[in-house]
Amino acid sequence: DAGITQSPRHKVTETGTPVTLRCHQTENHRYMYWYRQDPGHGLRLIHYSYGVKDTDKGEVSDGYSVSRSKTEDFLLTLESATSSQTSVYFCAISESNRDGGGYTFGSGTRLTVV
Amino acid sequence: GESVGLHLPTLSVQEGDNSIINCAYSNSASDYFIWYKQESGKGPQFIIDIRSNMDKRQGQRVTVLLNKTVKHLSLQIAATQPGDSAVYFCAEKMGYGNKLVFGAGTILRVKS
Repeated sequence: DAGITQSPRHKVTETGTPVTLRCHQTENHRYMYWYRQDPGHGLRLIHYSYGVKDTDKGEVSDGYSVSRSKTEDFLLTLESATSSQTSVYFCAISESNRDGGGYTFGSGTRLTVV
Repeated sequence: GESVGLHLPTLSVQEGDNSIINCAYSNSASDYFIWYKQESGKGPQFIIDIRSNMDKRQGQRVTVLLNKTVKHLSLQIAATQPGDSAVYFCAEKMGYGNKLVFGAGTILRVKS
């Protein structure tokens, strides 16, 4: 989607290795989110950010950390990847909810942990 | 594309027919709801939203209905087209920070 890019698009990594996924936006939106998507589970929130250096946990945050050192970048790190973290990861951005509308999602990163 | 549709309910409709996709949401305090469409290999795309002070909202070929009494949301697609084939998610907003909680999704298959 225009204004939000995720990298890499695909990654295969070994169990126990650290992995960092990047989300970059050009919209200057305040809020950024990381979701994971697994068959039959919809999208589940991992972590989110409501400003530079302001982050909080979502419902499935164990094993993940995030950082947001500038408005445009939100990094998701798997400190020691496990097979249960094999998933498709989506980043999303949004402005405040006062204007309505929803999130804009990136195209996703497919991560395989072997 | 990624297989996100395992074990999801599936709605199959004939091209040109109307589709109705249903969603039960969980929190009676939710005040904002959104429908997203996700095509294979892509991220979800915004379709239409509705606030809790409304019962119905219409867009282009789509209508969302909200029944707060039974915590039910539906998406109606008029004159369904092959390009409408996708997974559809409802989402509700609750809590500080504009966080959305997503349902598991429904697969829509359009037969030509």
